[in-house]
Amino acid sequence: DIQMTQSPSSLSASVGDRVTITCRASQNISSHLNWYQQKPGKAPDLLIYAASILQGGVPSRFSGSGSGTDFTLTISTLQPEDFATYYCQQSYSTPRTFGQGTKVEIK
Amino acid sequence: QVQVVQSGPEVKKPGASMKVSCKASGYTFTGYYMHWVRQAPGQGLEWVGRINPNSGATNYAQKFQGRVTMTTDTSISTAHMELSRLRSDDTAVYYCAREVDRTAARLLDYWGQGTLVTVSS
Repeated sequence: DIQMTQSPSSLSASVGDRVTITCRASQNISSHLNWYQQKPGKAPDLLIYAASILQGGVPSRFSGSGSGTDFTLTISTLQPEDFATYYCQQSYSTPRTFGQGTKVEIK
Repeated sequence: QVQVVQSGPEVKKPGASMKVSCKASGYTFTGYYMHWVRQAPGQGLEWVGRINPNSGATNYAQKFQGRVTMTTDTSISTAHMELSRLRSDDTAVYYCAREVDRTAARLLDYWGQGTLVTVSS
């Protein structure tokens, strides 16, 4: 199975900050990497797929990069509605594995 | 518009079985894999498995092999996930989610609202 490791597990940031979350795969997954945002009590929402393609309707302050084993999710200017937990997921093979999540909290 | 609506919450005793349903609408049900993901209280997302509604073929995470069964009823565009021999650590919100292939990418674009299954004596 492919292991996905996110860092950090949590972070505190202020509105307007630039935030970066990293995700590392245990083997080469090319660009088969998705990012999801989850708010408390809600199902996850797709943010980015294929490592860098923004899902329709997602604000342009979100961006993704990387290929192979190392990936990054960046929020350029943190907004109040961005405080949530973010998960990466590989779609290279089954089982589809998720990172452990990164909780973005208000500083 | 695409919708995925799940069945309601359940309370089960240890050792029992549970079956969660997921009704899809607004798209061709047989054209997309349906995945199941669970989330224990305060924990992260855990992939359980997937089913191809067109063929019935399934893939399950190793830890659930032998306890999980995924099926579909294409006549009513509904997917089911059954988990047997329940334990307290199976207490979780169970989600179904549609997987779409888009320019050689595979992603979960529509999710159900989640079904809380509580296992308690």
